[in-house]
Amino acid sequence: QLQLQESGPGLVKPWETLSLTCTVSGDSFRTSYYSWGWIRQPPGKGPEWIGSISYYGITHHNPSLESRVTTSVDTSNSQFSLKLATVTAADTAVYYCVRQAVVGGAFDPWGQGTLVIVSS
Amino acid sequence: QSVLTQPPSASGTPGQRVPIFCSGSRSNIGMNSVSWYKVVPGKAPKLLIHTNDQRPSGVPDRFSGFKSGTSASLAISGLQSEDEADYYCAGWDDSLQGVIFGGGTKLTVL
Repeated sequence: QLQLQESGPGLVKPWETLSLTCTVSGDSFRTSYYSWGWIRQPPGKGPEWIGSISYYGITHHNPSLESRVTTSVDTSNSQFSLKLATVTAADTAVYYCVRQAVVGGAFDPWGQGTLVIVSS
Repeated sequence: QSVLTQPPSASGTPGQRVPIFCSGSRSNIGMNSVSWYKVVPGKAPKLLIHTNDQRPSGVPDRFSGFKSGTSASLAISGLQSEDEADYYCAGWDDSLQGVIFGGGTKLTVL
């Protein structure tokens, strides 16, 4: 059974870069049928799609975050990563890594999520 | 305000059938697939419906999805206490060039 696990700092200072990694286990990381993505959910708000990256490195990012987002894949370790630059308090959220279907775009499964707080 | 509009709340008693609605436009629901998610605080969100009306394996047939024009709905029949959660619709928007989520509907089982 496919499992995704987020890892990274839970506290980031304003104006610094948030960095998270997702480790994929239990199924093939190499696939043309799915991309690997990030979604966040700020406290009390709905989910927001951040972006996705394929095994082959093709990216799609939320246009509202595009200028600050970098995604990458580490195929040798079945991992993919997110970097979000110049964070502010508005970036405080639970960050989830997900698998996204190429056809239809559904997200399944989701990682457990990791809370990232932006504060000095 | 979300591009996909959902009522903020819904409720029902055990055993009832409850619909949850998601209203969009031609650039999102009208042209692309809709998926539905159950979100419970402290737990990983769960996919309930993909491609408008398809249930992933393991999701009970109490959950069903429907899409018509620029609107979609999720129906939960045989309502159970464990169905109490937040439910979100989502899909691609051609104008925004990204995936968008509805504002969410909080379902209360009375």
